[in-house]
Amino acid sequence: NAGVMQNPRHLVRRRGQEARLRCSPMKGHSHVYWYRQLPEEGLKFMVYLQKENIIDESGMPKERFSAEFPKEGPSILRIQQVVRGDSAAYFCASSPRGTGYGYTFGSGTRLTVV
Amino acid sequence: TQLLEQSPQFLSIQEGENLTVYCNSSSVFSSLQWYRQEPGEGPVLLVTVVTGGEVKKLKRLTFQFGDARKDSSLHITAAQPGDTGLYLCAGAVAGGSNYKLTFGKGTLLTVNP
Repeated sequence: NAGVMQNPRHLVRRRGQEARLRCSPMKGHSHVYWYRQLPEEGLKFMVYLQKENIIDESGMPKERFSAEFPKEGPSILRIQQVVRGDSAAYFCASSPRGTGYGYTFGSGTRLTVV
Repeated sequence: TQLLEQSPQFLSIQEGENLTVYCNSSSVFSSLQWYRQEPGEGPVLLVTVVTGGEVKKLKRLTFQFGDARKDSSLHITAAQPGDTGLYLCAGAVAGGSNYKLTFGKGTLLTVNP
């Protein structure tokens, strides 16, 4: 595992469908963060997770969005009943400790809602 | 209102020129980072600064954190086409959650051969 792996790289969904974005952190990293990058906007914090725990989801919309980081397997960002405004690049980052001193980002998932 | 303002928004220069980009805020940050992002990729961490007045050098790149920890600059000497990309500053607000980074919108740098 050379870095943070995100898949799929590109995802197209019709309005009303569900989107599932996956993120495998770097080996040895137990802290995972999701950020969203909208066109013409900076990266915005969504959620911070550790294994089996959501630490801070203050940046995540309260409806339709959920995130998990199970004991086994990747972290999942789930968007239900997608709308056009959900179209964005979603980035996952990981770190060995729960600080903002050094994130390693994945290449992102570009979600397009048609 | 953007917590971190980056300027200029766009910068197009010739190979060999020097440049400085800025990251400013009215808030104090406990740490500040610079990333470079290329099209279709995620941001790549260049440097983290944590002490007011700190200067760090990375080859032709010089990063400075303001004395009051409210601003930062990135200076590139003798820019090369490979320096082309979106330069993002990000920081953890002092007194806030130190894992939550606030990002600026970035400076899009183009270095022409």
